[in-house]
Amino acid sequence: GDSVTQMEGPVTLSEEAFLTINCTYTATGYPSLFWYVQYPGEGLQLLLKATKADDKGSNKGFEATYRKETTSFHLEKGSVQVSDSAVYFCALSDIDDYKLSFGAGTTVTVRA
Amino acid sequence: DTEVTQTPKHLVMGMTNKKSLKCEQHMGHRAMYWYKQKAKKPPELMFVYSYEKLSINESVPSRFSPECPNSSLLNLHLHALQPEDSALYLCASSQGIPGNEKLFFGSGTQLSVL
Repeated sequence: GDSVTQMEGPVTLSEEAFLTINCTYTATGYPSLFWYVQYPGEGLQLLLKATKADDKGSNKGFEATYRKETTSFHLEKGSVQVSDSAVYFCALSDIDDYKLSFGAGTTVTVRA
Repeated sequence: DTEVTQTPKHLVMGMTNKKSLKCEQHMGHRAMYWYKQKAKKPPELMFVYSYEKLSINESVPSRFSPECPNSSLLNLHLHALQPEDSALYLCASSQGIPGNEKLFFGSGTQLSVL
């Protein structure tokens, strides 16, 4: 079945550092890929998504590119802020499917 | 209004109690979801309602009973829960086109079963 493997944390960074969180997937079809973020005490929010190979999703300085050849969707941000401290989940959804398969989540802490 | 509202925010219940979790959205979404999330784990899908009909039940025990009274409301009725059911229960909604949709999540109900 479909699955997502993402880099486990926790990850601790200083402000303005470069962040990358690795995510790879296994799917039988042509899934859509997502990054969701969960701030403390809140539900999840969609950060970005990509629906086909070579698509790049971007939002709030974060980027991820759908790489079919490496089955990856790594999340990157060039200069993190304290407010980026959260748990980040990579997820996929296969076509015509309501189910989201989530990765384990990566806790990111940014220090001032 | 792009919010999914969940009540209550916190709930403590005994194993013999009956309680309900409520979820509401006014975005015109036609799919609504219940997820269960344990601490430091990803959310696990429990139920999906599509156009007010139960579309997915992920083999959830019968002590959890979902209900979708209309397209804006989703309830989760709880009865005879176990301590291991303690978790954050998240409601979500989406437009209703499966496959590449953005899910909007509520802030969740933190449930403790004593």
